[in-house]
Amino acid sequence: NAGVMQNPRHLVRRRGQEARLRCSPMKGHSHVYWYRQLPEEGLKFMVYLQKENIIDESGMPKERFSAEFPKEGPSILRIQQVVRGDSAAYFCASSPGPGPYLRRGGYTFGSGTRLTVV
Amino acid sequence: DAKTTQPPSMDCAEGRAANLPCNHSTISGNEYVYWYRQIHSQGPQYIIHGLKNNETNEMASLIITEDRKSSTLILPHATLRDTAVYYCIAPPAGGAQKLVFGQGTRLTINP
Repeated sequence: NAGVMQNPRHLVRRRGQEARLRCSPMKGHSHVYWYRQLPEEGLKFMVYLQKENIIDESGMPKERFSAEFPKEGPSILRIQQVVRGDSAAYFCASSPGPGPYLRRGGYTFGSGTRLTVV
Repeated sequence: DAKTTQPPSMDCAEGRAANLPCNHSTISGNEYVYWYRQIHSQGPQYIIHGLKNNETNEMASLIITEDRKSSTLILPHATLRDTAVYYCIAPPAGGAQKLVFGQGTRLTINP
C-alpha cells in the first residue's frame, strides 16, 4: 500500500521557468492538501483540493501559483515564472475525506519536493 | 482553528518519557486535537488525535484535561529518533477542514 508519492524529490529551475510538482495520493484518498515550507520556517497551508474541485485556496499566492487535481492522474502544483523566493520544500498530504474521515487517522504526507530556483 | 500554544523547545534524556504540553483554551466542544511531528526535512508524520478521552497507540499517549483546555503528548521511552518538531493542532469541526501548523515544539532527545 504505497503512501503519498511526490515527484520529483528535487527540482532545480532557473528564474523565469515553470515548475510542476506532482502528488499522487494514497489509494482511496480523494482529498489533497499542499503545504509550503520555506527554509527554517514552519509549514504553511496553500490549497485543499478534491477531485476536479478546489475547496480552499486561501493560502495560495495570488499570482503565478495554481493547483489542480483532475479526475484521472496526480494533483499538480504549478508555479509559473519562478523567483528565488519560491525556493522551498513543498509537501502534499492526502486524506479519505474531511470531518469523520479525517478523524480516523489524520493526513498522510509525502516526502516533499525541494524546489531550488537559481 | 482553535489557537494552540506550545513551548518552543524541550529537551529529554534518551529512555525517559517525553511530555509535550499544549494549551488550547479556546477549543470548542467538537474540535479534535491532533499531534504531528516533523523529523528534519521529512514530511510531517501523524502521531495521534483525540476529542476528550485519553488515547494511546503504538507511538504515543495523549492526555486531554477534563475541561479540554490543554493536552499532553507522552512519548513513553524516548529515543534519539524522536528528535523532531512536534505540532499540536485543533482544526475547526465543520466546513472544509485543513490542518494549520503553528511553530510547534522542537524536542531534542539527548543521549
